[in-house]
Amino acid sequence: EVQLVQSGAEVKKPGESLKISCKGSGYSFTSYWIGWVRQMPGKGLEWMGIIYPGDSDTRYSPSFQGQVTISADKSISTAYLQWSSLKASDTAMYYCARAAEWLNWFDPWGQGTLVTVSS
Amino acid sequence: QSALTQPASVSGSPGQSITISCTGTSSDVGGYNYVSWYQQHPGKAPKLMIYEVSNRPSGVSNRFSGSKSGNTASLTISGLQAEDEADYYCSSYTSSSTKVFGTGTKVTVL
Repeated sequence: EVQLVQSGAEVKKPGESLKISCKGSGYSFTSYWIGWVRQMPGKGLEWMGIIYPGDSDTRYSPSFQGQVTISADKSISTAYLQWSSLKASDTAMYYCARAAEWLNWFDPWGQGTLVTVSS
Repeated sequence: QSALTQPASVSGSPGQSITISCTGTSSDVGGYNYVSWYQQHPGKAPKLMIYEVSNRPSGVSNRFSGSKSGNTASLTISGLQAEDEADYYCSSYTSSSTKVFGTGTKVTVL
């Protein structure tokens, strides 16, 4: 069974750094893209960016370029989303999801990681 | 890149058919067949319902169908059931080499 399992909920203070993870299993991790999607409280889905773990090719939405870093460690089939300095406005649910081609559909999705940034 | 436009809410009675629209431009929905639809129940992760405009993944009910005309894509749910009550999002590739989601539609089963 193809699965993406994300790391647990995080509570951080503004200015702190954070790295959340997404571990793939049940398929060849290096042959598919892993994307990240933000959902702010009570709001819709936003495409943040995507990485191909096979060669680390990474694409970012202009809205998130420079705000976050997407990476992957293919040796442990895990993708990451990280912030160097969190803001209160980063409070959201973050989902990872798999794609066969970076411009196409996401399936399946991880269970989501809730990030809360509050002083 | 602005979000694709969807109606905020659509409702229908059990057994009826409803259609959710997703309006973009020739730079996204109208220019490519990379339109997909996702269902999200409260507190759950999104689930793929339709890919490449009109293809249904294995395991998704054939009550769900997708289409596109010009810059507008549509998701139709026929034989509406209580379990279909959820939020629905469309998504498209864009000419800016990025992807964009729709604003989301809340489906209510009366």
